[in-house]
Amino acid sequence: AQSVAQPEDQVNVAEGNPLTVKCTYSVSGNPYLFWYVQYPNRGLQFLLKYITGDNLVKGSYGFEAEFNKSQTSFHLKKPSALVSDSALYFCAVRDVSGNTGKLIFGQGTTLQVKP
Amino acid sequence: DAGVIQSPRHEVTEMGQEVTLRCKPISGHDYLFWYRQTMMRGLELLIYFNNNVPIDDSGMPEDRFSAKMPNASFSTLKIQPSEPRDSAVYFCASSPAGNQPQHFGDGTRLSIL
Repeated sequence: AQSVAQPEDQVNVAEGNPLTVKCTYSVSGNPYLFWYVQYPNRGLQFLLKYITGDNLVKGSYGFEAEFNKSQTSFHLKKPSALVSDSALYFCAVRDVSGNTGKLIFGQGTTLQVKP
Repeated sequence: DAGVIQSPRHEVTEMGQEVTLRCKPISGHDYLFWYRQTMMRGLELLIYFNNNVPIDDSGMPEDRFSAKMPNASFSTLKIQPSEPRDSAVYFCASSPAGNQPQHFGDGTRLSIL
């Protein structure tokens, strides 16, 4: 069965420092992977996706993610964190069984960037 | 494009009442999803449609919940009768294809007293 794990409930980082939000996945076949961000009282917003191609994917707001097949990971990164990056981040993998549009989401990681 | 539009944004009602949540997906998107988000259970997929047809409703909690998509531009999620444990934020999302990102509305915050 497909699954996604975000091992950290919360990540704290100082403004200007690099940040990493971790995600590991388990799928049969090639994964379609996504990162979303959720700000308070808002819906999830798409950040970036990996379907095929380069292992380093660049997305919105300066975020990027590195796909690592051997470690089954898709960690979200940013070279220099901003206070405004503080939000809830979700990793998701597409359920490839039955060619559906269904996404399986991780439990979310709260990112706190301190000034 | 206006994005996914949900109404109402907030709903407070007493247990036993019928609740109807509404969603207008992005035009041209073939997939529509209903999610529920709570602190305890996180983000849960309730049901999704492809071309107005329900594909997977395995996440619907029980018979009190029902969802319809009468046309490509409108969907409803209904709870009847409502219970306090249904209190959550309900999100609607749409996507143009199965391997494309889902676009979320800003949700309906539902409180059942």
